[in-house]
Parts: sequence; C-alpha cells; structure tokens
Amino acid sequence: GAVVSQHPSWVICKSGTSVKIECRSLDFQATTMFWYRQFPKQSLMLMATSNEGSKATYEQGVEKDKFLINHASLTLSTLTVTSAHPEDSSFYICSGAQKSTDTQYFGPGTRLTVL
Amino acid sequence: QKEVEQDPGPLSVPEGAIVSLNCTYSNSAFQYFMWYRQYSRKGPELLMYTYSSGNKEDGRFTAQVDKSSKYISLFIRDSQPSDSATYLCAMRNSGSARQLTFGSGTQLTVLP
Repeated sequence: GAVVSQHPSWVICKSGTSVKIECRSLDFQATTMFWYRQFPKQSLMLMATSNEGSKATYEQGVEKDKFLINHASLTLSTLTVTSAHPEDSSFYICSGAQKSTDTQYFGPGTRLTVL
Repeated sequence: QKEVEQDPGPLSVPEGAIVSLNCTYSNSAFQYFMWYRQYSRKGPELLMYTYSSGNKEDGRFTAQVDKSSKYISLFIRDSQPSDSATYLCAMRNSGSARQLTFGSGTQLTVLP
C-alpha cells in the first residue's frame, strides 16, 4: 500500500511559538492532502483539504491564519500551527490521495503538546 | 443526528471469536465505504475499501455494504489479540473533493 510519513512524530513547544509539521507521500503522488485533528478517544476531525499548487480549503470553525497549510509539491504538505496555545495540543494526522484512486492513505500522526 | 453512527464500544471478545462491527449512515449520496484500523497513538490504516453495495473479503476480514438499509459491516474471523485496536468506518460521495466522513470508532479488545 501507499506510504505517508509525518515529521516530527511528537513535539513539545512553549505557548506562543510556531510549530511546523511535514507530511510526505513516499511512493505516490498525492494530488490532494488532508489534515485532521484527533482528540483522545474521538474520531478524526477534518481541518482542511489542500490540492497541490492551490490554496487550502478550510473546514468551518478552523482558523486559516492559525493553521497555515502549504502543498508545494505532489509529495509534500506542511501544517504550521502559529502562536500555539495549550488548547492546540492534539494529535494531528495527514493523509494523501492519488488522482487515480479514491482512497486516502494516512500518516502516523504527530502529537503536539503546547506548554 | 450525525451523518455516520458507530457504536463506540468498548467491545471485548475472546481470541478466535467472530467480531461484527457496524455503522449506519443517513446520506444516500455516499458511494465509497472504507474501514480503517487505528492502533493507539498511530495513524489509521486502510483495511477494506468497497464501492456501492456488496461484499468484499480479504483474508479474515469481510466488509458488507447494504445501501438500501444504509448499513455497513466489518466481520473479523478468528480474531487475534493483534486485532485489538479502534476500528473506524469512513465513507464519501462521488464528488471531486473526496472528503471522508468518519464514524466515531469502535474500540476492540481481543483477549488471549
């Protein structure tokens, strides 16, 4: 199956700092990438959808100025959490979808803890 | 009412049992149905992918879709302790956005 990696796998930062999370599709070209957030014992909540070379489409209630998404190439998307606060602490998961298929392949997730 | 309903469990079964996991949905436009397995602190892993109604089998896993009842199931035969995880159903329509709608997940524990 297709492989998606995320880096870092976990990060701890101070309140007010910015954190960048990378999502890479290792063996396929992801024309669309998705960013999710997951709280403990809850399902995935879609934050935004990004197509390569285009601006991301954010879900209702997600602040686009706080969660900056860049999808610069067919294998890389980044999520930057700007001016992070403790309430931003969560598990962030990305996924990639190929143009030729309908399935999403998920990364292993990044656990963000904001102190 | 949520678009996709899934019993959160937790579900605990003995090793070797047949496990049945289910989701119901309300959006008749959903055409693609998936089951993901998620281990603790890991990303979801695609288990089964089904288009429209019917059955699909892969090893010990069988996925069923009944669009007339808006009901999907995942059966796990000869369950193993390594099957202990959270199982998420997901589905989407045929639109170009390809966004998935997830169930809340069922936590499964297979006891040795």
